[in-house]
Amino acid sequence: DQQVKQNSPSLSVQEGRISILNCDYTNSMFDYFLWYKKYPAEGPTFLISISSIKDKNEDGRFTVFLNKSAKHLSLHIVPSQPGDSAVYFCAAKGGAQKLVFGQGTRLTINP
Amino acid sequence: DTAVSQTPKYLVTQMGNDKSIKCEQNLGHDTMYWYKQDSKKFLKIMFSYNNKELIINETVPNRFSPKSPDKAHLNLHINSLELGDSAVYFCASSPGLVYNEQFFGPGTRLTVL
Repeated sequence: DQQVKQNSPSLSVQEGRISILNCDYTNSMFDYFLWYKKYPAEGPTFLISISSIKDKNEDGRFTVFLNKSAKHLSLHIVPSQPGDSAVYFCAAKGGAQKLVFGQGTRLTINP
Repeated sequence: DTAVSQTPKYLVTQMGNDKSIKCEQNLGHDTMYWYKQDSKKFLKIMFSYNNKELIINETVPNRFSPKSPDKAHLNLHINSLELGDSAVYFCASSPGLVYNEQFFGPGTRLTVL
């Protein structure tokens, strides 16, 4: 039973436009959500996070939105740059419990 | 100055062999983890250690045994390797159990022939 799902395995966006990556979760006990970015042959690196008490968190070009009623979060990247091409993982956690990851979305930014 | 390092990066071995993967973090963190990324690309936690004490032990075969000689190291030993063990294994660390952000190593790609 996959508690965190990223239903789009891949996404292609033109440079300069907005990239929107989506993530759905099923466990209502999750209270913290993170996005990780992963380049080939490297480990995931933390990108941005949001607590369940907020509905938006912004850091430069990256914004994460949380819709608790829909159990949905999204990552917006604007403007998209070639260096943003990577696999993006959504992850969720409840209290001191384990981090649960989605299966990732491969983002490709086209020049 | 790698924060979380793993050795080896690649490991190719025959079925039935025993192998180890080493992990070291120089961040001064108390908590370390092992994750497995399978062929479907899901990252799933296997083990978590806090101050050398086993905290999380997911439903992992007994052939997998983590060992934490000190807070900065968490090694993974795998006995009697099977084809299904082929995956990328990631080590990670965090300041403590209640901290949400985890820092990952570069991964070890294990191929069992």
